[in-house]
Amino acid sequence: AQSVTQPDIHITVSEGASLELRCNYSYGATPYLFWYVQSPGQGLQLLLKYFSGDTLVQGIKGFEAEFKRSQSSFNLRKPSVHWSDAAEYFCAVGSGGATNKLIFGTGTLLAVQP
Amino acid sequence: DVKVTQSSRYLVKRTGEKVFLECVQDMDHENMFWYRQDPGLGLRLIYFSYDVKMKEKGDIPEGYSVSREKKERFSLILESASTNQTSMYLCASRKQGRSYEQYFGPGTRLTVT
Repeated sequence: AQSVTQPDIHITVSEGASLELRCNYSYGATPYLFWYVQSPGQGLQLLLKYFSGDTLVQGIKGFEAEFKRSQSSFNLRKPSVHWSDAAEYFCAVGSGGATNKLIFGTGTLLAVQP
Repeated sequence: DVKVTQSSRYLVKRTGEKVFLECVQDMDHENMFWYRQDPGLGLRLIYFSYDVKMKEKGDIPEGYSVSREKKERFSLILESASTNQTSMYLCASRKQGRSYEQYFGPGTRLTVT
């Protein structure tokens, strides 16, 4: 069965520092992978997605993610974090098929120190 | 611009009440989803609908039902609310097809007392 693991429940970084959020997935075929962000009290917003092609994917707000099939990973990165990036981040894998249901990780809560 | 709206941001109900959560999308999307979100558990799929009057159970359907009479509207029903259904409920929609992402509403924080 498909699954997604986000090993870090909570991460704190200083403003201006680089960020990497980890995501590992379990999926038999080529996965459809997503990163979503949820600001406090809000719904989820798509940051980026990977379906095929270039394994380095650029998203909104200066985020990028790299698909590594050999490691079953899809880690999210940002070179310089801003205070407004404080939020919860969810990695998800699509189950395939026309409806492509999403299986979500448990999320990583990011705190940004001034 | 893509928009998914949910009828209430906050809702307080009593145990045993029948509760309706409404979700409306304006993007003509075929697929719609209901999730609940709990700390440490991420998002779990309750039900989804791949088209009007079509529905399928997700991972945690017990205690819930859904209705999709019109393409733009997907309702989640708690027939007899219980305290363990206190949660954040998120609705999402997407266009049918493998390569499309889900768009989420702002969520409804439901408290059952």
